[in-house]
Amino acid sequence: ETGVTQTPRHLVMGMTNKKSLKCEQHLGHNAMYWYKQSAKKPLELMFVYSLEERVENNSVPSRFSPECPNSSHLFLHLHTLQPEDSALYLCASGPGLNYEQYFGPGTRLTVT
Amino acid sequence: DAKTTQPPSMDCAEGRAANLPCNHSTISGNEYVYWYRQIHSQGPQYIIHGLKNNETNEMASLIITEDRKSSTLILPHATLRDTAVYYCIVSLKNYGGATNKLIFGTGTLLAVQP
Repeated sequence: ETGVTQTPRHLVMGMTNKKSLKCEQHLGHNAMYWYKQSAKKPLELMFVYSLEERVENNSVPSRFSPECPNSSHLFLHLHTLQPEDSALYLCASGPGLNYEQYFGPGTRLTVT
Repeated sequence: DAKTTQPPSMDCAEGRAANLPCNHSTISGNEYVYWYRQIHSQGPQYIIHGLKNNETNEMASLIITEDRKSSTLILPHATLRDTAVYYCIVSLKNYGGATNKLIFGTGTLLAVQP
């Protein structure tokens, strides 16, 4: 257990659905991150939040919409996804500059 | 941005030390070296990090060369549960705010053999 939880762990959705991924950290960290890991590819950083403010949007399509209502919670809202968006979505948190990041177990997303 | 080079795969016998190399020849003075690992289909796990001095914790040791152009992660007594992809990452400079941006490469798949 890393202190970062993600729900759901598995999600299957159609291309017209709207769903949300949830991440919660119990570590008192200031920064939270969304990563995407497609099959046989390195992790790709998607979004970064620092003190609830988005500081990085890594050229991610608008069908992915992050939300950070407080420093403990991070959401990724999904709508009109494509099959190529099927991947493992990982959330991480960290205490600050040049500190380690702690990852959740991920949500395995399949878009049909 | 500094990049890292790692061998794609390595084998290690159970109970022996696993030495995982990483080259980061373009690292700049205030960039740290981080090591993470990812066991199949799980989230990455932080292992250790360092700036210029060697570091040790309960999981591993990190040896950084004096010129900081390369490093070695040492797992002193590898077990089957250490089979994973190991990522060596050089952190980018702070771009504002309390965040640390990590760029993951393809890593080294360490297979610990019984």
